[in-house]
Amino acid sequence: GEDVEQSLFLSVREGDSSVINCTYTDSSSTYLYWYKQEPGAGLQLLTYIFSNMDMKQDQRLTVLLNKKDKHLSLRIADTQTGDSAIYFCAESPRDSGYSTLTFGKGTMLLVSP
Amino acid sequence: NAGVTQTPKFQVLKTGQSMTLQCAQDMNHNSMYWYRQDPGMGLRLIYYSASEGTTDKGEVPNGYNVSRLNKREFSLRLESAAPSQTSVYFCASSRTGTDTEAFFGQGTRLTVV
Repeated sequence: GEDVEQSLFLSVREGDSSVINCTYTDSSSTYLYWYKQEPGAGLQLLTYIFSNMDMKQDQRLTVLLNKKDKHLSLRIADTQTGDSAIYFCAESPRDSGYSTLTFGKGTMLLVSP
Repeated sequence: NAGVTQTPKFQVLKTGQSMTLQCAQDMNHNSMYWYRQDPGMGLRLIYYSASEGTTDKGEVPNGYNVSRLNKREFSLRLESAAPSQTSVYFCASSRTGTDTEAFFGQGTRLTVV
């Protein structure tokens, strides 16, 4: 079955770059997503990448996809204290036909001043 | 535009009690989902409804039932609550089943004692 793995915790200083990593096992994944969850809130879609892409950039966010290694990363440039949150990697299997996302356990990003 | 609205936000139940979690979306989305979030487990899909009139089991459906009341509303029922169902429950919706973005509600924090 599908499995998505993430490191559980990352601590950076304000202004540094953050890189959150994710590995997945389902080679049939169509879309790969990054969601952000702030304390007490629901999940907010940050960005996504199609499985036929290698990179996607959106303002401070850069997503890199290595299909061979089934590795996805999210880079946040100039990390701010407001970026402190839990970041979830998720994938949507090609054959599911629906947005039944499989999530990783989440990476808690702590940004210190 | 409220997006996805869940009620209640918090609930405490005694073991064996029943309750229904309500979810409504005002984005005219076809597909709706219920996830549960447990510490260290990420989000897991309980049930989903690809379109009005259809429901399907997700990864962890045992102990739950759902009803897609109409296009807007998708409820989750616990017939006989158990402590193992203590969790944060999230409802989500997407425009279509294969849409790239799922919108999440703020969550319902349920404690079963």
